[in-house]
Amino acid sequence: DAKTTQPNSMESNEEEPVHLPCNHSTISGTDYIHWYRQLPSQGPEYVIHGLTSNVNNRMASLAIAEDRKSSTLILHRATLRDAAVYYCILRDPDGGSQGNLIFGKGTKLSVKP
Amino acid sequence: DSGVTQTPKHLITATGQRVTLRCSPRSGDLSVYWYQQSLDQGLQFLIQYYNGEERAKGNILERFSAQQFPDLHSELNLSSLELGDSALYFCASSVGPILQETQYFGPGTRLLVL
Repeated sequence: DAKTTQPNSMESNEEEPVHLPCNHSTISGTDYIHWYRQLPSQGPEYVIHGLTSNVNNRMASLAIAEDRKSSTLILHRATLRDAAVYYCILRDPDGGSQGNLIFGKGTKLSVKP
Repeated sequence: DSGVTQTPKHLITATGQRVTLRCSPRSGDLSVYWYQQSLDQGLQFLIQYYNGEERAKGNILERFSAQQFPDLHSELNLSSLELGDSALYFCASSVGPILQETQYFGPGTRLLVL
């Protein structure tokens, strides 16, 4: 699987938007971009995924650069509950990693009241 | 609540011992994955089962083994435990084996080897 680069940590204020960047300059044409997050003392949870177009769901939005070498997870109004480690993961449906997720170090998001 | 259950929540044991961690996937999910999370290695994939059959192996030690039973629950067996095996062990499940399916994680089992 191609590698992703994320900042180690970011800070946000409550009720403000948060933009979490992810660089994936070696992404292949078939790699999907997935985001998971891990709240303190919990297992990871799925946030969103996309291939080329921007995606929205109830949790977040995913903005994908036109060249697909980077993407941004957008939390529109951060809450204290959004404090977590956010993982950007590339998944190639034709790759040899079967179904498992390959986690990097992620970005630790802190939300200040 | 992801719908994935893991027992026990906490486990304290001694070096050299053997333990079994249990996972029940979400209703209808056929794939089960095991991950280990330690402070120095982060989240690492161990092994995947799909409908009772081993499908993929990651960084799983030979001292560790797993199986998925006909009712689809899975067990991870850790033997000859060492201090370095202390970690959080997560189970995840998905409907099928393919990559784009969402994985749902359980709350984890925290293992402490003394």
